This record gives sequence, structure tokens and C-alpha cells, in this order.
Amino acid sequence: DTGVSQNPRHKITKRGQNVTFRCDPISEHNRLYWYRQTLGQGPEFLTYFQNEAQLEKSRLLSDRFSAERPKGSFSTLEIQRTEQGDSAMYLCASSSRLSGGSYNEQFFGPGTRLTVL
Amino acid sequence: AQKITQTQPGMFVQEKEAVTLDCTYDTSDPSYGLFWYKQPSSGEMIFLIYQGSYDQQNATEGRYSLNFQKARKSANLVISASQLGDSAMYFCAMSRAFFGNEKLTFGTGTRLTIIP
Repeated sequence: DTGVSQNPRHKITKRGQNVTFRCDPISEHNRLYWYRQTLGQGPEFLTYFQNEAQLEKSRLLSDRFSAERPKGSFSTLEIQRTEQGDSAMYLCASSSRLSGGSYNEQFFGPGTRLTVL
Repeated sequence: AQKITQTQPGMFVQEKEAVTLDCTYDTSDPSYGLFWYKQPSSGEMIFLIYQGSYDQQNATEGRYSLNFQKARKSANLVISASQLGDSAMYFCAMSRAFFGNEKLTFGTGTRLTIIP
């Protein structure tokens, strides 16, 4: 299967610890997105990359959050000094720019569920 | 800023009936894209259908159709002949870019339950 993959699928950590998530997009996709989804809500945008360049960051992304996509392939999302409010599903998506006027849906991974105790 | 409103937290529908999920949006952008995603209990977001703001015709994809009323700023999803496997959360979303290649703004979703 060549869909978007995310690791780990589940992460339980204690408040104050650092965590890192990884996302592997579909191989030919040049755009990669991170979203956060809390219980009962729709996904909220965090940040996105075009190749290795981080093009936009949400105000939701505090100084404790950092994302990288060093070689324009996989991406990591790190949360430092986790807080209980960081407990959520972290979703990664990727898309490619197609020619000819076609639309570009985002393909989502299965997500990483973070629980901060 | 863009905003999506889904006013139906939950819906129960008899199998084989058609169902309409409501979505209204607000944006000042002249061009935009509208998307519907399905999220089963497994958690993965599955793309269903897309409508561009300049598209003259309503989008259709198999049993899914999008009832796009630009003047009313609504983009309702219609599922025909519902099946048990349609039970899931459904999210309406929009993108600033006509082709959707930028961040998505999602609504709060509608939980659809199909009754046998």
C-alpha cells in the first residue's frame, strides 16, 4: 500500500515529556500537511510544507511545537514539554499539484493518537 | 478567514434511503474549493467529493452528489441509496485555493448512522 503512513499510531506520555511523530507521504506528493483533531471536532490546520519549505504555520502551533521536512520527503512533528491539552489525534495529509486544471484532494494518514497523562 | 458550519451533530437514516448532510460556509475569497470527507470509526479521513467555486455544475461521484448553491453559500452532500457502511462522521471542508492545494478548514462534522 502506498498511502500516507504515520508512526507511531498511539503514544502515551507524561506531562512535560517531549514526543515526536513521523509522517511518510505518498511518494510523488510535494505538499504535506499536519492537522490536529480533538474529540468531537473537525481537524484543525497546524502547518504545511511544499517540498522542504514550511509555507504556513497556524497560531495553534505554539513555540513548543516544531515541524520539519528536511529532504522534502517524510516529516516530523515534535511537541516539547507536553501538556494535557495536547492530547489529540495528529493527522498528516499529502497532496500533489496536478496539471490540466484538476483539483488536488488531500490524502490523509491514519493519524497518531497522543494521550498526555 | 474561512468558516464552515455543520448544524446537524447526528442523523439516523433507514438503509436504502437518501440522506442530505448540510454544510454552509463563509469566505471573502473569490475562488475556493469545497470538499467532503468521511471518517469511519477507524479514524482515517476518506475523500468523497469536490466542488470548485467556479464550477457550473454540481459535482457527482457515484452515490455522492454535492448540492452547491453559491448564493446561499451552501454545499450539501447527498448520499443516495444509503448503505450500512455509510455509517461514519462526515466533514465538510474548504480551501482558499480553487484546486484545493492549500490548508483545509473543516466543520465540526455530522455523525451519520444507517439503520438496517
